[in-house]
Amino acid sequence: KNQVEQSPQSLIILEGKNCTLQCNYTVSPFSNLRWYKQDTGRGPVSLTIMTFSENTKSNGRYTATLDADTKQSSLHITASQLSDSASYICVVSARETGANNLFFGTGTRLTVIP
Amino acid sequence: EAQVTQNPRYLITVTGKKLTVTCSQNMNHEYMSWYRQDPGLGLRQIYYSMNVEVTDKGDVPEGYKVSRKEKRNFPLILESPSPNQTSLYFCASSRPGYGYTFGSGTRLTVV
Repeated sequence: KNQVEQSPQSLIILEGKNCTLQCNYTVSPFSNLRWYKQDTGRGPVSLTIMTFSENTKSNGRYTATLDADTKQSSLHITASQLSDSASYICVVSARETGANNLFFGTGTRLTVIP
Repeated sequence: EAQVTQNPRYLITVTGKKLTVTCSQNMNHEYMSWYRQDPGLGLRQIYYSMNVEVTDKGDVPEGYKVSRKEKRNFPLILESPSPNQTSLYFCASSRPGYGYTFGSGTRLTVV
């Protein structure tokens, strides 16, 4: 069964600290993995995308890693800011055509406090 | 500006009163989808469309209808809303092989 699991469910960190969010998946055949940031009450916005052959991708203070062998990904946030408070969603695409090939994690709720 | 526009942003309605949530995209995307998001459950696909006049059920289609008469529009119709359809709804669009662009969401409350 195709599944995406994220941990932790929620996380509170001090402003300026680093943190790492985890994503494990069982989606097969794998196509790509995206991390989205979702502010409260808003739509998700894409942060990074990685295909099978990529094992790291950065977007400013966000760095995503992918281990396709163990089917794990992580999102590392450096020098956190208050504006990083949001939910972070891991989305894995299966390698098949169609608009229904996305599998969503339930997200990690990150709160950055001053 | 490339975007997906949903309306309304907030809606409170009564059980059984038909409603439509509109969705429009200006990126000429083939794919469009509707999702609902509930606490602890993440985003779940309701319906999707791969092109004009091509729609199919997602994971939770019961109680919903959609249509895709034009490429840019993909309305979500609740013929007889019930309280268990209270949720946060997102419309999204994409080109094949690319990531989805999401709308800002519609918070629906059915009383």
